[in-house]
Amino acid sequence: GAVVSQHPSWVICKSGTSVKIECRSLDFQATTMFWYRQFPKQSLMLMATSNEGSKATYEQGVEKDKFLINHASLTLSTLTVTSAHPEDSSFYICSASSPGQSNTGELFFGEGSRLTVL
Amino acid sequence: AQSVTQPDIHITVSEGASLELRCNYSYGATPYLFWYVQSPGQGLQLLLKYFSGDTLVQGIKGFEAEFKRSQSSFNLRKPSVHWSDAAEYFCAVGQYSSASKIIFGSGTRLSIRP
Repeated sequence: GAVVSQHPSWVICKSGTSVKIECRSLDFQATTMFWYRQFPKQSLMLMATSNEGSKATYEQGVEKDKFLINHASLTLSTLTVTSAHPEDSSFYICSASSPGQSNTGELFFGEGSRLTVL
Repeated sequence: AQSVTQPDIHITVSEGASLELRCNYSYGATPYLFWYVQSPGQGLQLLLKYFSGDTLVQGIKGFEAEFKRSQSSFNLRKPSVHWSDAAEYFCAVGQYSSASKIIFGSGTRLSIRP
C-alpha cells in the first residue's frame, strides 16, 4: 500500500512558540491530505483538508490562524501550530489518498506526531 | 450528515476467545466503511474495508466484518484473539467524493486477558 510519513514523531516546545509538522507521501502523489487531531483515549477529529496549490478547508471550530496548513507540492503538506499553548498538546495525524483510491475514501495514515507544549 | 457509533468503549476478552466489536453508521447512501486499528502512540492501520459486493469482508490479521444494511451495522469479528490484538479499534465511514473525507467512530479499546 501507499506510504505516508510524518516528521517529527514527537516534539516538545515551550508555550508561545510555533511548531511545524510535516506529512509526506513517499511513493505516490497526493492532491489531497487530511489533518486529524486525537486527544488521549479519544477518537480522531478531522481538523482540515489540505489541497495542493490552494487554501486548506477547515472544519468548524478549528482556528485557521492558529493551525496553518500548507500543501505546496504533491508529496508534502505541513501543519504549523502557531503560538502553541498547553491545550494544543495532542497527537496529530495526517492522511492522504492515492490517485487510484481517491473515489473510494480509503486513506493512508502517517505515524502521527505527538506535540507536548510546556 | 454521516456519523459512526461504536457503543462499546472498552472490551476485555480472554486470549483465544472470539471477538465482536460493534459499529453502527448513519449515511444517506451506500457508505464506504472501514475498520482501522491503532496501537498505543502509533498511526492507524487499515484492517478491512467495504465498498460494494459481498457483504462479508475479509481483512488482515484474521479479522472479518459484515455489512448489514437493514441494521446499519458493520461489526468486526475475529474467531480467536491473540494478545497482540490488544489495541484501539476505529470504525469509519467515507464519503464518495474526490476529497475522500472519512469520519471516525469514538473507538473501542480492546484488552486481552491472559
